[in-house]
Amino acid sequence: QSVLTQPPSVSGAPGQRVTISCTGSSSNIGAGYDVHWYQQLPGTAPKLLIYGNSNRPSGVPDRFSGSKSGTSASLAITGLQAEDEADYYCQSYDSSLSPWVFGGGTKLTVL
Amino acid sequence: EVQLVQSGAEVKKPGESLKISCKGSGYSFTSYWIGWVRQMPGKGLEWMGIIYPGDSDTRYSPSFQGQVTISADKSISTAYLQWSSLKASDTAMYYCARLWDLGVTTSPWDYWGQGTLVTVSS
Repeated sequence: QSVLTQPPSVSGAPGQRVTISCTGSSSNIGAGYDVHWYQQLPGTAPKLLIYGNSNRPSGVPDRFSGSKSGTSASLAITGLQAEDEADYYCQSYDSSLSPWVFGGGTKLTVL
Repeated sequence: EVQLVQSGAEVKKPGESLKISCKGSGYSFTSYWIGWVRQMPGKGLEWMGIIYPGDSDTRYSPSFQGQVTISADKSISTAYLQWSSLKASDTAMYYCARLWDLGVTTSPWDYWGQGTLVTVSS
């Protein structure tokens, strides 16, 4: 069981908007630690998508956005495209013995 | 261009030892933490441990403490993950990743290796 909780799957049609939630606790997201998001395309390594809750690395389309509130964070994808079909993981820092924690991952299906 | 290049896939038997590698280039290898992440078949990402190649300061997740050893050779910009006695349950994809220098508690993993698939089977 992951420290950060994500829905196992979400889906949407091309052009639509989807959101993926990431729920933590007072020892990670709720403690004020930043949330980062990664995209893992099938058969490839994870890629940093959003860092510091809402910042996009160079080259990431502005269709991807992130937000954080309280003990939760969200990733939003607008104008859904077939190439967005992937697994998405949230990640934060935790004030425990295992500081770098990930969500369980969410599989995005583009219908 | 920052790159992390991992060693190739391995097939081992239970009880055998193994050391996989992650070579960094395009940046100051000694100035960034390098971590290892496990992904079991069909499962999510798990942080295993981290090393600072500059002084070899190493931290482990409690889940992996005593099960693996993380090391680095800064003279050749390479980090390692090793097992002394593999189990079938070690079968997984293993990724190395660089921790961005924004502060330990606030940094994401900004660059990832391509992954090394380890298969342990009798």
